[in-house]
Amino acid sequence: EVQLLESGGGLVQPGGSLRLSCAASGFTFISYGLSWVRQAPGKGLEWVSGISGNSVSTYYADSVKGRFTMSRDRSKNTMYLQVNSLRAEDTAVYYCAKAAANDGDWWFDAWGQGTPVTVSS
Amino acid sequence: EIVLTQSPATLSLSPGERATLSCRASQSVSSYLAWYQHKPGQAPRLLIYDASNRATGIPARFSGSGSGTDFTLTISSLEPEDFAVYYCQQRSKWPLTFGGGTKVEIK
Repeated sequence: EVQLLESGGGLVQPGGSLRLSCAASGFTFISYGLSWVRQAPGKGLEWVSGISGNSVSTYYADSVKGRFTMSRDRSKNTMYLQVNSLRAEDTAVYYCAKAAANDGDWWFDAWGQGTPVTVSS
Repeated sequence: EIVLTQSPATLSLSPGERATLSCRASQSVSSYLAWYQHKPGQAPRLLIYDASNRATGIPARFSGSGSGTDFTLTISSLEPEDFAVYYCQQRSKWPLTFGGGTKVEIK
């Protein structure tokens, strides 16, 4: 069974940083792309970033480019999102999502339960 | 970026009725469109990928159609567990984008 478990969310001041983690199990980690998708309070889903299974390619939404960085550690079956220079509009539940292939079929057939990030002073 | 516009924003229906949800893209996405169901406090669930393919374990009452810029998700007969928010998502071009969602609520 595929499982994705996010952690690392919390309350942070504007301009601060966090590292979100997504621990994966139940599939061959390096064979599938992973993404972060967020949902701000009362809003819809917003794709944030993606990384290919082999870590060769990373992709970012314009709203986070230059502030967020994705990486993955195959030895730990874990994917990370380093989030810097946080803004109030980054407040959201952040979901980890598994793509259907290494770097092609970017629809998401498994999701975690999400980790909340609140940016406030 | 490709903008996906979903309509209507809210659909009020009774169990057993047919639901028809629309997703329109600002430019062609070929057939690279997926649909998700999202309930409060739960993870989103993939229903349809590449416009018309049901994901594993999805009941046959869910079907998708369309290509290019116009897509439809149809729920043939609503079950109580189908009341939720539905999103479309395109994978044709980066950045990936989601539609704003359609809430299917009990009338």
